[in-house]
This record gives sequence, structure tokens and C-alpha cells, in this order.
Amino acid sequence: GESVGLHLPTLSVQEGDNSIINCAYSNSASDYFIWYKQESGKGPQFIIDIRSNMDKRQGQRVTVLLNKTVKHLSLQIAATQPGDSAVYFCAEKSYNTDKLIFGTGTRLQVFP
Amino acid sequence: ETGVTQTPRHLVMGMTNKKSLKCEQHLGHNAMYWYKQSAKKPLELMFVYNFKEQTENNSVPSRFSPECPNSSHLFLHLHTLQPEDSALYLCASSQELAGGPGSTDTQYFGPGTRLTVL
Repeated sequence: GESVGLHLPTLSVQEGDNSIINCAYSNSASDYFIWYKQESGKGPQFIIDIRSNMDKRQGQRVTVLLNKTVKHLSLQIAATQPGDSAVYFCAEKSYNTDKLIFGTGTRLQVFP
Repeated sequence: ETGVTQTPRHLVMGMTNKKSLKCEQHLGHNAMYWYKQSAKKPLELMFVYNFKEQTENNSVPSRFSPECPNSSHLFLHLHTLQPEDSALYLCASSQELAGGPGSTDTQYFGPGTRLTVL
């Protein structure tokens, strides 16, 4: 069945270092992927997305990598800042459905 | 107001109460969603409205009743809830293309309503 999972529930990084958050998915029909950031007391905030015809997409300080061969998605955050502390979710959608399937989330903690 | 707003932000209710959650989107989108977020669980899709028509009811108990009077407003009516219904209820919106499934589905979320059922 469909599932989106995250390898690590909590990731701790030092301020200024790069962060990498990973996500695995099982549905080979998935063609659209999104990363969301959720801060305490707030709703999920869109960060970046990628379609299956791409393997890399860059935003401001963030990069998403997609490896369709192993069904793996990652979010890289450059020069991690205290404001990046949050829970990060990946979500995927298949071409034959309008539903987004969310992972359980990874908590990113940034320490000085 | 911009984006997606939700009221109230916090709600405490007894199991015999009737209350409603409200969501409003200011993004000109034509699809709206209700999600439930419980601790240590993935977001659970509850309802989808596309062009004001309910297109998804993800096996949600009848004590939750959605209403979408227009493409900008979405309500979730609550009655005779159970303590296990305590959670963060999130509303989202997106612009769905008329091409149907496969259209890009970037959903934008509101801040949520923290619901506690006593």
C-alpha cells in the first residue's frame, strides 16, 4: 500500500551546519512531492516541491533531491538557523489521485 | 487578511456540545480541505471540497459534518464528540485545475484549531 515514512524522528544540528532530512515513499506512481515546515502552534508551511520529471530543485537555502530508483526524497537546508527549528513533513501525490499522503514528520532542533 | 485563516484557534467542549470550526481562504483557490493532526501521527485527510462539491469523505464519523457554502469558506460542524477526537484540526486550500487527478496540488494550510473534548 501507499506509505510515506521518515527515517529519523528527531535531528539535532549546530547552527550554521547543513541539515539533511530524509523521506522514503513506496508508491511508484507518485509524481509530485512537497516539503512542509510546521512550527509550534502553527499550521504546515509550504517550503518547496518537486515533480517526478526532475531530480533536484533549489530554493532559498533549501534543496530537494528526488531519487525515483530507490523512492527516496531529501530536504537539504544550508547554514541552518535557529528559525529553522520545526517539524518537517514530506508529502506525496500520485498522478491518479488528488490526495496528498503525508509522512509522520521529523523534528529539527538547532542548537548554538 | 491573507492566506488561510481559522477560527477559533482553541476550543474546549464537552461531549454533548455542538460547535463549529470555521475556515476562510483569501487565495482565490477552488478546493478546500479538512485535516486532523494527532500527536505522533501523519496528517489525516478528512474531507475535500472541489469547486464547492464534496469529492472526498475519508471514512470520517458522522459526528463531523462539513459545510462549504462557497469556494472561500469551509466549516466543520461538531456534535457529540469523543475525547479521542481531541486534536489539531487544520484547514487547507489549493487551486485545482479542471484537468482532474494529476493536477498540481500545492496545499496551503491555516494555523489550525486546537480542539479538546472533555
